[in-house]
Amino acid sequence: GQQVMQIPQYQHVQEGEDFTTYCNSSTTLSNIQWYKQRPGGHPVFLIQLVKSGEVKKQKRLTFQFGEAKKNSSLHITATQTTDVGTYFCADPTGGGNKLTFGTGTQLKVEL
Amino acid sequence: DGGITQSPKYLFRKEGQNVTLSCEQNLNHDAMYWYRQDPGQGLRLIYYSQIVNDFQKGDIAEGYSVSREKKESFPLTVTSAQKNPTAFYLCASSLLSNYGYTFGSGTRLTVV
Repeated sequence: GQQVMQIPQYQHVQEGEDFTTYCNSSTTLSNIQWYKQRPGGHPVFLIQLVKSGEVKKQKRLTFQFGEAKKNSSLHITATQTTDVGTYFCADPTGGGNKLTFGTGTQLKVEL
Repeated sequence: DGGITQSPKYLFRKEGQNVTLSCEQNLNHDAMYWYRQDPGQGLRLIYYSQIVNDFQKGDIAEGYSVSREKKESFPLTVTSAQKNPTAFYLCASSLLSNYGYTFGSGTRLTVV
């Protein structure tokens, strides 16, 4: 299936700095989901965005869905060491709820 | 507590042997999925099932087989035909449409 491109692949930040990861698709998406995978762990569902231009917040995390529904972003304000992990976006390419995952952005936070 | 259980957590097998990975969920989810993750990479879909006794190939189904005899269970067999079986295997489940996945804790398979 069509893979959503995610950038950057890696990001190292100092604790307290902000972080953003972006997902881009060449086709219009019906919805987009975000997951977090801690090192050595399994992906955990964070959120789903459905509406054009939608913005949702979870504490220090802000999720956006583009107006054209072809891109999405996850922004973390004032990163903490607990934010370490890989963040994936995923889209339901192919219908139903079969997800195609982006390539992921690995976040490392240094003290 | 509801959840999805994968076993074993670590599995070692000799080359040429078939091996079956277990996945059980008690979330009453209709859909179940198997993904493969290689080091530093994303998730690739192997097989998925939306209903009992029915399943479909994902993007990398060659060398794998599955069954869905019960709603709660979706075992994955890695056959000797799979050329590079060493990987982290993740099972997930979900409601049918537009819902997030719940993942199991995964099985790390090493073939020597």
